[in-house]
Amino acid sequence: DSGVTQTPKHLITATGQRVTLRCSPRSGDLSVYWYQQSLDQGLQFLIQYYNGEERAKGNILERFSAQQFPDLHSELNLSSLELGDSALYFCASSEETGGIGDSPLHFGNGTRLTVT
Amino acid sequence: AQKITQTQPGMFVQEKEAVTLDCTYDTSDQSYGLFWYKQPSSGEMIFLIYQGSYDEQNATEGRYSLNFQKARKSANLVISASQLGDSAMYFCAMREPSGGGADGLTFGKGTHLIIQP
Repeated sequence: DSGVTQTPKHLITATGQRVTLRCSPRSGDLSVYWYQQSLDQGLQFLIQYYNGEERAKGNILERFSAQQFPDLHSELNLSSLELGDSALYFCASSEETGGIGDSPLHFGNGTRLTVT
Repeated sequence: AQKITQTQPGMFVQEKEAVTLDCTYDTSDQSYGLFWYKQPSSGEMIFLIYQGSYDEQNATEGRYSLNFQKARKSANLVISASQLGDSAMYFCAMREPSGGGADGLTFGKGTHLIIQP
């Protein structure tokens, strides 16, 4: 058990809809990352938050947004969903604040999103 | 150019044999970190091993070791005495100070390892 909790495990929704994925990081970890894993794109970094502030953006679509709350849990909001958004969405957390430290990212079990 | 290259999409290995999973990386940073993760069919991502760019010795964690060849920008994962439970996807990843993901990781496309009895 990585200590990172993601809900829900599975989500099935229709095109055009909006969903929210939730993540609770490991106790003490201030950094939260969101990744998307699909067959064709592999593991893609979406966005990182550190202690409530956005720290870095990756290949995140404008239809997607995220936030990290004062209790450090994070939510990823996906709107105007398209078939191509079907993927496994991971949240990960780390105690690292920067640099190339040896603290790994600890991943949750992911939310499998299916858009029909 | 790809930051992390894993050239073996799939591998079949006999149980109890040693396995080497290849990983090459591309960075202009002097300081960076290299990680390996395992993803079983159940989907979770499991951290296996870490190697820092300044570490002179190869990292080891139980049956896992990392064959780090800095000049060749190579960070191969070696699994000794493979077991059926080692069947999974394996991802090589890199953390760079100048990476677009801040202090996150950039992943390779993975190697699907299947251990045969």
